[in-house]
Amino acid sequence: GAGVSQSPSNKVTEKGKDVELRCDPISGHTALYWYRQSLGQGLEFLIYFQGNSAPDKSGLPSDRFSAERTGGSVSTLTIQRTQQEDSAVYLCASSPRQVFNYGYTFGSGTRLTVV
Amino acid sequence: GEDVEQSLFLSVREGDSSVINCTYTDSSSTYLYWYKQEPGAGLQLLTYIFSNMDMKQDQRLTVLLNKKDKHLSLRIADTQTGDSAIYFCAESRASGGSYIPTFGRGTSLIVHP
Repeated sequence: GAGVSQSPSNKVTEKGKDVELRCDPISGHTALYWYRQSLGQGLEFLIYFQGNSAPDKSGLPSDRFSAERTGGSVSTLTIQRTQQEDSAVYLCASSPRQVFNYGYTFGSGTRLTVV
Repeated sequence: GEDVEQSLFLSVREGDSSVINCTYTDSSSTYLYWYKQEPGAGLQLLTYIFSNMDMKQDQRLTVLLNKKDKHLSLRIADTQTGDSAIYFCAESRASGGSYIPTFGRGTSLIVHP
């Protein structure tokens, strides 16, 4: 597609349930990033994939969070045993290998609400 | 402290200039970016500046970089109501041969008639 696509756009889940968030990056973009945006906060880096290299997981807040990227394209962010503090907008971005002046293209995000 | 800091709010009158300021900490930052986020939307790249530049102009937007003080600013000339949004400053850091951006909390720009 023309842009970064994320699904679902909204997700309401009960505390303790697992959720999966999907990101479909721009075709040909080798780098993929997940960020979390909480109310009144900046963008918190979660995880970064670059081609076939091992992902940079340094931003994942706990072992309840995991992500994978299949075939170097679509990525899924999984949150197990969701907690209320996980409520946020989860943003995905992709970029070409040489990012520089292309910047990072963001999807519209998934708004997760844990009740 | 935070890696990238911005003031949270800025209110201006339509037609005036807006100046949004940002400070960052990573002296190895190579690229610095300004992003705009409208309600319910993702982030849209507005402009970027390479660290060996001190100024970049793009139509109504002027970016100033003071690398010594690690200070970045975005000036919007003739601000319009459509410019109302959250503006994020970001710096990029190298990781494994590529760059991961670190974002500030964002500055909410409110433009009133």
